[in-house]
Amino acid sequence: GAVVSQHPSWVICKSGTSVKIECRSLDFQATTMFWYRQFPKQSLMLMATSNEGSKATYEQGVEKDKFLINHASLTLSTLTVTSAHPEDSSFYICSADWTGGGIAGELFFGEGSRLTVL
Amino acid sequence: KQEVTQIPAALSVPEGENLVLNCSFTDSAIYNLQWFRQDPGKGLTSLLLIQSSQREQTSGRLNASLDKSSGRSTLYIAASQPGDSATYLCASRNRDDKIIFGKGTRLHILP
Repeated sequence: GAVVSQHPSWVICKSGTSVKIECRSLDFQATTMFWYRQFPKQSLMLMATSNEGSKATYEQGVEKDKFLINHASLTLSTLTVTSAHPEDSSFYICSADWTGGGIAGELFFGEGSRLTVL
Repeated sequence: KQEVTQIPAALSVPEGENLVLNCSFTDSAIYNLQWFRQDPGKGLTSLLLIQSSQREQTSGRLNASLDKSSGRSTLYIAASQPGDSATYLCASRNRDDKIIFGKGTRLHILP
């Protein structure tokens, strides 16, 4: 299957700093990528849909100024958590829409990034 | 609004048994349904995807079925192994392109 790489896999930062997480589709182009947040033993909560070359679409209740998403190329989307606070500590996962070559609409996920804000 | 439910929330079975994980959804107008596996602290691994026009998909010891009329999908795991222990998530992709996840079933295969 298609490969999605996420970096960093874990990060610890001080309160008030900003953290950037990268999501790359390694062997395919993804016009659409999704960002999720997952709390312990909970399911994934969709934060936003990232479209290459346009503004991201945020889900209700997600602060777009807090979670900046940039999808500047067909293989890279970034999520920046600005002015992070301890309540932002979570597991963030991205996924990319694989629509080429085989099964349309199949999602592939990155390995996730665990953010801990001190 | 689509709701996806997975039952049971947790399941422990002895190694070698066949088992079925259930996923139900309230809106049958889906584009596809996808099953994933998630190991602790890791991302999601795609297992099987069933398009709305299909009834089942198979990969190795895994078989997923889809019955849109009843709003149900099942994931069948044959001859379970300790390495199958993980959380299994199903997700529906709706016609409005929204992807809704269930809360998952935590599976523990006892050696």
